[in-house]
Amino acid sequence: QVQLQESGPGLVKPSQTLSLTCTVSGGSFSSSTYYWSWIRQPAGEGLEWIGRIYTSGSTNYNPSLKGRVTISVDRSKNQFYLRLSSVTAADTAVYYCVAMYSNTWTYFHYWGQGTLVTVSS
Amino acid sequence: QSVLTQPPSVSGAPGQRVTISCTGSSSNIGANYDVHWYQQLPGTAPKVLIYGDNIRPSGVPDRFSGSKSGTSASLAISGLQVEDEADYYCQSYDSRLSWVFGGGTRLTVL
Repeated sequence: QVQLQESGPGLVKPSQTLSLTCTVSGGSFSSSTYYWSWIRQPAGEGLEWIGRIYTSGSTNYNPSLKGRVTISVDRSKNQFYLRLSSVTAADTAVYYCVAMYSNTWTYFHYWGQGTLVTVSS
Repeated sequence: QSVLTQPPSVSGAPGQRVTISCTGSSSNIGANYDVHWYQQLPGTAPKVLIYGDNIRPSGVPDRFSGSKSGTSASLAISGLQVEDEADYYCQSYDSRLSWVFGGGTRLTVL
């Protein structure tokens, strides 16, 4: 069973960069069938896929985030990271790190508990 | 405005059957991309309920079923139970926008 845990600052100032870490346990980090994703959810709203990374380092991002997103990985630590630059209040949300199963089907299999990030001065 | 359209809310009495629709377009569901469904209980992270249009992961009761036709998909829940009260999200792939979700449907068990 894959387990994911988000960590990082809960408060970020407008125009600054949001940085989060996801630590993966359960032995699947180097598996060829998982991509590692970030998804966010503003309070009372729906889910938005942010992007994903493979352990090789290849990435895909949500086009709507217009180049503000960077996802990276450190295989030696079983961690992957999210950086979102030039944040505004609209980036306030619960951020989830997610194991994205990708084989015959591609779906969001295992989820972290989520971490609330508030953008405010 | 979500790429996949779901009704904001549905309700039903215990024991009844409800369905939740998910309407897309020719760039996502209509292009035959798989549809997946997630259940989000209050205060928790979403959990995959149905994947590959109609496949239940181990541990998901057979009261939950999924279907897809054309540019739409549906989640059916039969024998409603109080513990089914949650938000439900459909999700697919869009050829222009990558992985997309519906806006979510809140199920109330009366």
